[in-house]
Amino acid sequence: GPKVLQIPSHQIIDMGQMVTLNCDPVSNHLYFYWYKQILGQQMEFLVNFYNGKVMEKSKLFKDQFSVERPDGSYFTLKIQPTALEDSAVYFCASSLGAGANTEVFFGKGTRLTVV
Amino acid sequence: GQQVQQSPASLVLQEGENAELQCNFSTSLNSMQWFYQRPGGSLVSLFYNPSGTKHSGRLTSTTVIKERRSSLHISSSQTTDSGTYLCALGMNYNQGKLIFGQGTKLSIKP
Repeated sequence: GPKVLQIPSHQIIDMGQMVTLNCDPVSNHLYFYWYKQILGQQMEFLVNFYNGKVMEKSKLFKDQFSVERPDGSYFTLKIQPTALEDSAVYFCASSLGAGANTEVFFGKGTRLTVV
Repeated sequence: GQQVQQSPASLVLQEGENAELQCNFSTSLNSMQWFYQRPGGSLVSLFYNPSGTKHSGRLTSTTVIKERRSSLHISSSQTTDSGTYLCALGMNYNQGKLIFGQGTKLSIKP
């Protein structure tokens, strides 16, 4: 089936540094998402993005977070600066639409460890 | 309160037994997806099933909209089925925004 690719699968970063998580969504999809899962906890919606803009963000999407998809390339999540509580697995997802009968496709996740 | 509730929270079975996992939701259904999360954390999509019954090998998903529930049935379980099973509900106004349940952790003993 359609694949969402996330690079890298693991990243370790020093607290206070900047990190960019990369996602290659399904090629013809138009809507993009990031989800966050802290180890042992529930998967939670962070943000979704369409037509170059953030459509909706949750309270977990702090001011230090930003998303973009420059020129149709990777969809990225940037955290600047990172904090210890940002350690989690971040999942990228994409979908063709956002209305009825929308199936969302997920990547395998990037495990971010902030030390 | 929780919009999506999964039960049981954990389930231990012997290999060969069948597993029944439940997902109940408190809001109107617009889309329903089931995922398998490997012990290492990666996600595998199992079903997109907003209504009715779907089959895939030993897996069956049934969503009953009126009763606000969806189930995942695993027949003849195998040790490789061990992991966490997640259901996720699509929101009415933005169906790409999924609300996940807390998962059912399944352990299959040899």
